[in-house]
Amino acid sequence: EDQVTQSPEALRLQEGESSSLNCSYTVSGLRGLFWYRQDPGKGPEFLFTLYSAGEEKEKERLKATLTKKESFLHITAPKPEDSATYLCAVQGSASKIIFGSGTRLSIRP
Amino acid sequence: DSGVTQTPKHLITATGQRVTLRCSPRSGDLSVYWYQQSLDQGLQFLIQYYNGEERAKGNILERFSAQQFPDLHSELNLSSLELGDSALYFCASSVTPREGYTFGSGTRLTVV
Repeated sequence: EDQVTQSPEALRLQEGESSSLNCSYTVSGLRGLFWYRQDPGKGPEFLFTLYSAGEEKEKERLKATLTKKESFLHITAPKPEDSATYLCAVQGSASKIIFGSGTRLSIRP
Repeated sequence: DSGVTQTPKHLITATGQRVTLRCSPRSGDLSVYWYQQSLDQGLQFLIQYYNGEERAKGNILERFSAQQFPDLHSELNLSSLELGDSALYFCASSVTPREGYTFGSGTRLTVV
């Protein structure tokens, strides 16, 4: 069964303090790994899709990387507006997209 | 505005009742997905429709059903509601899943 595990559950950083969020996955026939950002009471907002091991994508202060077993979302010099829950999801051969439980990121000014 | 419209935004109803949640996908998107998000379970995939046909099913209860109409809007019907059905229900749409989903702002269902 496809599975996604995210760690840590919650992370508090000082503004400017870089860190990484982890997403470990098991999936039959990976077709894509996705990162989303979700603000409280709102729908998830798409950030990245990664298709194969070794791939990297960047957007502003965020960089996503992918290996055969896990993905990392690196956040460099974060600002308070980066505070949100970050969700990882995978799509396997069964086509449906399965989400992890997320990492709640809080950036203190 | 993401382009995916969900109505109503909030719904309060009693146990045993039936409700219908509505979703209009982003223009041009043929696929519609329904997810349930509760505090203790995260985003759970319920069901997917593509151009009017059911494509994939997740952990959807027998009390729940969905359909997608010719104009591509979708409805999620929840019946015999229980307290545990209280959650945020999200609809998402896509052209192809590999390009990511676009989510609506959700319907918050409270069963009392």
